[in-house]
Amino acid sequence: KQEVTQIPAALSVPEGENLVLNCSFTDSAIYNLQWFRQDPGKGLTSLLLIQSSQREQTSGRLNASLDKSSGRSTLYIAASQPGDSATYLCAAIAGGTSYGKLTFGQGTILTVHP
Amino acid sequence: GAVVSQHPSRVICKSGTSVKIECRSLDFQATTMFWYRQFPKKSLMLMATSNEGSKATYEQGVEKDKFLINHASLTLSTLTVTSAHPEDSSFYICSAREPEVGAPDNEQFFGPGTRLTVL
Repeated sequence: KQEVTQIPAALSVPEGENLVLNCSFTDSAIYNLQWFRQDPGKGLTSLLLIQSSQREQTSGRLNASLDKSSGRSTLYIAASQPGDSATYLCAAIAGGTSYGKLTFGQGTILTVHP
Repeated sequence: GAVVSQHPSRVICKSGTSVKIECRSLDFQATTMFWYRQFPKKSLMLMATSNEGSKATYEQGVEKDKFLINHASLTLSTLTVTSAHPEDSSFYICSAREPEVGAPDNEQFFGPGTRLTVL
């Protein structure tokens, strides 16, 4: 059974800092890995999806890496802004008989203060 | 990008009543939709996978008679919480998978969620 863990559970930083969010998964036979953002009381916004054949994806100030062999992914946020404050979730996407099933971590609550 | 809507966004009901939540893919046809549940300050847990024209596949521990799922068309799936009780209060989120043509394989698009409160 896939288990996804995110560290840290919460993070508070001053505006402008670069930061790293960590995600680890127990079953390395994933299909893809995806990072999401969730604002309080809202649904999910997809940030980056890393396909199994890729090692990283970039979008603006965000960069996500994937190391399947070690069961790890990181989300790097450059020059953080107060608007980045939200909960960040990673999800491991299964292949094989469980094709498409997402297993989520518990999230990292990020607060960026001015 | 693909858009998924949910209705209602928020519902309050009395214990014992049934509540229906709709999930629609607005600009694409989704053969597969997923229903998740999220407790406060917890992560999302997959409840069931909904396939158009066939019975839903439920995750272990999810009561299929309690949470009825109907995927009657390629753009609509419904989740009905039957005889709701306070412990069913939660945030319910659906997602839909767009056909792979022109989209990253396996990508799901999420609805905005429905907050259910059972009194």
